[in-house]
Amino acid sequence: GIQVEQSPPDLILQEGANSTLRCNFSDSVNNLQWFHQNPWGQLINLFYIPSGTKQNGRLSATTVATERYSLLYISSSQTTDSGVYFCAVEPGGNDMRFGAGTRLTVKP
Amino acid sequence: DVKVTQSSRYLVKRTGEKVFLECVQDMDHENMFWYRQDPGLGLRLIYFSYDVKMKEKGDIPEGYSVSREKKERFSLILESASTNQTSMYLCASNLGGNTQYFGPGTRLTVL
Repeated sequence: GIQVEQSPPDLILQEGANSTLRCNFSDSVNNLQWFHQNPWGQLINLFYIPSGTKQNGRLSATTVATERYSLLYISSSQTTDSGVYFCAVEPGGNDMRFGAGTRLTVKP
Repeated sequence: DVKVTQSSRYLVKRTGEKVFLECVQDMDHENMFWYRQDPGLGLRLIYFSYDVKMKEKGDIPEGYSVSREKKERFSLILESASTNQTSMYLCASNLGGNTQYFGPGTRLTVL
């Protein structure tokens, strides 16, 4: 099946710093999403981005489908950005495959 | 707002018990999913359903079964719980190929 690899696995930042999270996938996909899981376990969709670039406030994402990767940018990070960021791809049909996640810790 | 609810946030069961995890969504979504989340492994798909009484196996269906008798409700069943099924269980739903909405999760401990 399709492989989804996220890097780095762990990231520690000072508040105000910028960061880039990467997601590589091994086959073509119909869709790609980025999720944030907060410290209480709730998963929130950030971007639905099978290709191109989207921005939402301090967060933006770019997917280059032909090269099978996606990037999530976080600018001016805040402590509330802490948590685990997941990339998930839809290889076909309705099911999704998740990466192992990047655990982000933003220190004040 | 889409709301996906799960019956329990925390659950403790004994080895061999039959365990039911319930998930309800209120947005008339066609598709519903059950995942388990383990450290370092991300979310792994157990089962999903694209319609009432329909189900498809995900990546790790062994030891689990599911039931979808009504569109809004998707149940995960552990026929005989084992310690290696201790995990966080997450339910999600969506409409067609759109974004998935997740419930708050159930942290299950099997002793």
